[in-house]
Amino acid sequence: GAGVSQTPSNKVTEKGKYVELRCDPISGHTALYWYRQSLGQGPEFLIYFQGTGAADDSGLPNDRFFAVRPEGSVSTLKIQRTERGDSAVYLCASSGPGAEDTQYFGPGTRLTVL
Amino acid sequence: RKEVEQDPGPFNVPEGATVAFNCTYSNSASQSFFWYRQDCRKEPKLLMSVYSSGNEDGRFTAQLNRASQYISLLIRDSKLSDSATYLCVVRRGGFKTIFGAGTRLFVKA
Repeated sequence: GAGVSQTPSNKVTEKGKYVELRCDPISGHTALYWYRQSLGQGPEFLIYFQGTGAADDSGLPNDRFFAVRPEGSVSTLKIQRTERGDSAVYLCASSGPGAEDTQYFGPGTRLTVL
Repeated sequence: RKEVEQDPGPFNVPEGATVAFNCTYSNSASQSFFWYRQDCRKEPKLLMSVYSSGNEDGRFTAQLNRASQYISLLIRDSKLSDSATYLCVVRRGGFKTIFGAGTRLFVKA
């Protein structure tokens, strides 16, 4: 079946602009995670959704970052007033009910802020 | 200090070698433990979960020592295809998941 998909695969923007990154989880997966990964580092937890609600958003670095999952499926990560330090690969993962240990990752969105 | 610490490597080993990766975690409330594998410019993929009793999957053996807050991964009979970054992963209560920075492995013919 289809895996986790993320769009766009690459996004180049200018400092100060607003960006939206989209994640389509595996169908039926109730848990959805956002991470960001900088070069040479492991993925850094940002936020976790269970269904439509953000169960843990403690990893969001500041109030410029926001994520939604209005219907419990697709999620959008929104970054306002982008800064050069936001440049990274943003990864989305999902896991299914009864199998929460296994997170399936999407290919990521590479964000470059000029 | 990072919550999950790994030796960054790289580890350069010949085919057929046995290689061991170590990982320590600082939050004693951590509940679940995993090793993920990440190929260059690809997404991470679950390699195996880690249990206190230790577990084995083919050439891979993972062990957990809760008292020492230490996790290990042993790869026997290394293959060229094992070349990747190995990520140590810890999950607290709930689902917040913390990744180490990863250990790079290069297996050479």
